[in-house]
Amino acid sequence: IQMTQSPSSLSASVGDRVTITCRASQDIETYVNWFQQKPGKAPSLLIYQGSYLETGVPSRFSGSGSGAEFRLTISSLQPEDVATYYCQHYRFFPTFGGGTKVGIK
Amino acid sequence: QPQLVESGGGVVQPGGSLTLSCAASGFSFRHYAMHWVRQTPDKRLEWLAFIRSDAREVQYPDSLQGRFTISRDNSKNTVFLQMNNLRPEDTAVYFCCQARPTEWLMGTWGQGTPVTVSS
Repeated sequence: IQMTQSPSSLSASVGDRVTITCRASQDIETYVNWFQQKPGKAPSLLIYQGSYLETGVPSRFSGSGSGAEFRLTISSLQPEDVATYYCQHYRFFPTFGGGTKVGIK
Repeated sequence: QPQLVESGGGVVQPGGSLTLSCAASGFSFRHYAMHWVRQTPDKRLEWLAFIRSDAREVQYPDSLQGRFTISRDNSKNTVFLQMNNLRPEDTAVYFCCQARPTEWLMGTWGQGTPVTVSS
């Protein structure tokens, strides 16, 4: 199963609403996770099973979608959200999307 | 707080072997499945291996062609990744992950250990 993320990068202003999309090559129900990777750090789990927020993750992050299209939304972008975001499916053996690099204008 | 510390990375020649270790602390290691994931220089992430808490089930992607083996020692809170017949395309940072909140979710990651395959 291929996971295609878009866009590959984006730049937005502090306070903007940001949406990242991930498309699967087949129906994967809600078996999707989202990870955040800050520069020089390991990835960390943000959202699992499509829409469940990992403990400690700010509520401005949310996940939605099912089937083959999924979205990660940051409702109000903050400077500390500068990172690369990856989607991942686990319907079968896990595969990751190519990543979306988020920056501040 | 769960903590994972990888070690054993380094520079190895093509065709060589390397064994990575991941020491776990801050949680009941023997009750959790574990994964290995790598990140290549172009920042792509690739899942490599899964081992169940009791080691009775292991899984790998077909792409590895049997070159990698995951194992664990619950008495030492450590998971291993043995890598054989290494190729330049195996150059990456290798991460171990605690499987939580379910077996196929990578809830906690180590800091990674770099592996370079080059002559």
